[in-house]
Amino acid sequence: QVQLVQSGAEVKKPEASVKVSCKASGYTFTGYSVHWVRQAPGQGLEWMGWINPNSGRTHSAQKFQGRVTMTRDTSISTAYMELSRLASDDTAVYYCAREYCSSTTCSPFMDVWGKGTTVTVSS
Amino acid sequence: DIVMTQSPDSLAVSLGERATINCKSSQSVLYSSNNKNHLAWYQQKPGQPPKLLIYWASTRESGVPDRFSGSGSGTDFTLTINSLQAEDVTVYYCQQYYSTPYTFGQGTKLEIK
Repeated sequence: QVQLVQSGAEVKKPEASVKVSCKASGYTFTGYSVHWVRQAPGQGLEWMGWINPNSGRTHSAQKFQGRVTMTRDTSISTAYMELSRLASDDTAVYYCAREYCSSTTCSPFMDVWGKGTTVTVSS
Repeated sequence: DIVMTQSPDSLAVSLGERATINCKSSQSVLYSSNNKNHLAWYQQKPGQPPKLLIYWASTRESGVPDRFSGSGSGTDFTLTINSLQAEDVTVYYCQQYYSTPYTFGQGTKLEIK
């Protein structure tokens, strides 16, 4: 079945970096963009950016530009999101999610989600 | 950035009754080139990722019960849950995908009265 499997929980110190992986299965990885969304404890959803696994093209929210790097390895159908210069307010669950595609076009809402990766930033 | 504001923040409804959640965008999300509203609704249960319910403001995702419906256009949207079931009691989010950054509402928590 279609699924996105994310890497395990991470605990990082302030100023460190974290890299979260998202392995796709059950569909053609290069056919769908992958979005990253985070959710701080008890808070709402925050969109971070997307990567097109076919071209490698990325787009991130201005808030994260300069701090987020999204990459992919098509040989293992995996997308990655690396966030640098971590601060305590980066503590959140980070989700990867597949962009919706119909038979004719794709649109930036998300129909398949990973279970999330908890990143805790603490000294 | 487009700001999405949901109302109410929380809502208590009796089982079997109708629940209505509103979502307002700070600018229109109706895209003239395709005449579609770039608005989605998600349901999120505790400890789980969001689940897509509705897209294009009113198109139900495959497998979503027909008691869920979406309506609205431009800047004002509504998610309606008819005949509320116990499993519907959770948090709901709207999302605009008209322009980046794609933004979500703050969420509406649905509870049983």
